Amino acid sequence: QVQLQESGPGLVKPSGTLSLTCAVSGGSISSNNWWTWVRQPPGMGLEWIGEVYPTGLINYNPSLKSRVTMSLDKSNNQFSLNLNSVTAADTAIYYCARGPLIHYWGQGTLVTVSS
Amino acid sequence: EVVLTQSPGTLSLSPGERATLSCRASQSVYGTYLAWFQQRPGQAPRLLIFGASNRATGIPDRFSGSGSGTDFSLTISRLEPEDFAVYYCQQYGTSPRTFGQGTKVEIK
Repeated sequence: QVQLQESGPGLVKPSGTLSLTCAVSGGSISSNNWWTWVRQPPGMGLEWIGEVYPTGLINYNPSLKSRVTMSLDKSNNQFSLNLNSVTAADTAIYYCARGPLIHYWGQGTLVTVSS
Repeated sequence: EVVLTQSPGTLSLSPGERATLSCRASQSVYGTYLAWFQQRPGQAPRLLIFGASNRATGIPDRFSGSGSGTDFSLTISRLEPEDFAVYYCQQYGTSPRTFGQGTKVEIK
């Protein structure tokens, strides 16, 4: 059973960089899957952020593409998300997941952007 | 980008009733790669249906999906108390892999 666990700061200052890591257990991050980030602002719907494949292929949501970076860390079986120049609109629960069809989700981590 | 529009925004029904949720795509969904998720308060989404009509492992048979091209639906044949939640469709055939805005199924 694949399990995913997000970690990172719960509070980020405006104009700063949001950095999250997703640790994967029960499966290899080098397997043929797209490792995915999804976010959900409080009380709102799901927004797909992007995905990274073990070969290095990456797809981003066009609305976030200028601010997002994703990467894989195969030695530690984890992947990461960086989102720069954050504002209050980036406050959300951030989920990591295994895609593109998402059978497995992390529990989610709330990141608040505030000074 | 494939835009998914779900309707209605909210569905008010009683336990035991039938629920029908709609998801319409702005263009044909590649490979019929359309999924439905259920999200209960405070929880991560849970996969219900993939490939428009295939139930995921452990999903009760009161949940069924149908559709192709641009029009898809999720039906819950008889609502159980635990089914009152928010439901999202997602297309995963092309990138960006977009979600609909959600339909809330609430107790009437």
